Amino acid sequence: KAGVTQTPRYLIKTRGQQVTLSCSPISGHRSVSWYQQTPGQGLQFLFKYFSETQRNKGNFPGRFSGRQFSNSRSEMNVSTLELGDSALYLCASSLGTSGGAETQYFGPGTRLLVL
Amino acid sequence: SQQGEEDPQALSIQEGENATMNCSYKTSINNLQWYRQNSGRGLVHLILIRSNEREKHSGRLRVTLDTSKKSSSLLITASRAADTASYFCATVPMNYGGSQGNLIFGKGTKLSVKP
Repeated sequence: KAGVTQTPRYLIKTRGQQVTLSCSPISGHRSVSWYQQTPGQGLQFLFKYFSETQRNKGNFPGRFSGRQFSNSRSEMNVSTLELGDSALYLCASSLGTSGGAETQYFGPGTRLLVL
Repeated sequence: SQQGEEDPQALSIQEGENATMNCSYKTSINNLQWYRQNSGRGLVHLILIRSNEREKHSGRLRVTLDTSKKSSSLLITASRAADTASYFCATVPMNYGGSQGNLIFGKGTKLSVKP
């Protein structure tokens, strides 16, 4: 099976712009989670989607949003970019059937640089 | 916010030696997972241990869990240069099982294995 894919892999934006990142989960996986990784804050949970519904959300401002499509693919959007949004954004997919005790498979990430 | 704290933050050993990393967490958990990350790339799942398990093995990896002390340890035996990476523990909080379950990561241990 193909792994989790994320596009684009690298992105450079300027402050105030918006960005959309895409994640394609492993075939058959219905759950997608997003994480932000920065040197200062480490890995932080953004949101989790299952069956096109947001099931959980981390402590991020409303500028961060996401959605999941019927084929389980997911996108996240960051509006009005700030310098502090520069990070590695990681997507993880899982089956979504094991009550939380399941392996999450991570994609290679999208590295976003905000200038 | 971070749930887990890994100890040590950095560890440097010679090939063939064993590496032990520790993780402490704050709240009751559904399960605890260990991940490896090579140089700012995606995370690779190593092992999952449920809250009712005390020890688990996978190849050269041994994980223990002590829920009374809210701590876990990861032992890598007979380390290789290819084990050089950052290692993260991640917990799924007890009240966030099911489709809500998200991972809360520690800050990681940077392991360097010298040939």
